Amino acid sequence: GENVEQHPSTLSVQEGDSAVIKCTYSDSASNYFPWYKQELGKRPQLIIDIRSNVGEKKDQRIAVTLNKTAKHFSLHITETQPEDSAVYFCAASILGQAGTALIFGKGTTLSVSS
Amino acid sequence: DTEVTQTPKHLVMGMTNKKSLKCEQHMGHRAMYWYKQKAKKPPELMFVYSYEKLSINESVPSRFSPECPNSSLLNLHLHALQPEDSALYLCASSQVRGPYEQYFGPGTRLTVT
Repeated sequence: GENVEQHPSTLSVQEGDSAVIKCTYSDSASNYFPWYKQELGKRPQLIIDIRSNVGEKKDQRIAVTLNKTAKHFSLHITETQPEDSAVYFCAASILGQAGTALIFGKGTTLSVSS
Repeated sequence: DTEVTQTPKHLVMGMTNKKSLKCEQHMGHRAMYWYKQKAKKPPELMFVYSYEKLSINESVPSRFSPECPNSSLLNLHLHALQPEDSALYLCASSQVRGPYEQYFGPGTRLTVT
């Protein structure tokens, strides 16, 4: 089955710096890669996703890049703010009629200090 | 309405009890999911329902029994649980054909004594 590795496990940055989180996946059939943000005591929320037919996607301060050949994808957050502090999870899935079974990485705890 | 609701918020049960967790969504989503999340760990997929049929069971022990009575409701029936089953149980829903964003409920915090 699919296995998703995520690094680093913790990341501390100063406000205004950039943050990069990297994930690798094992199943070459995976074709959907979302990133979720989970604040303490709250539910996971999607922040950005990418499908395998796209190499990069951007939404304001957040971008995701995908390298299908190397089977890795990365989250880039620019101009970080204290409210970006949370746990970030990457995930991989194969889209199909059976629903989207997300396999998550272990998470990265991002701390942004002002 | 872009919300998934779950009841109860907290549940404490003994190992011989039978209880149920409930999840509801009114977004017209036809895929619904159960995840288990332990502290400081990622959500771990348990079950997927697509068009009210069980499509994926991630080798979950039979003491967890899912049910999808209709397209808006998802239940998780619990029986003879173990203390290690204590966790946050998250429900989610999504479209089957896209967009694929999964909307998570707030979860049920389960403690097995």
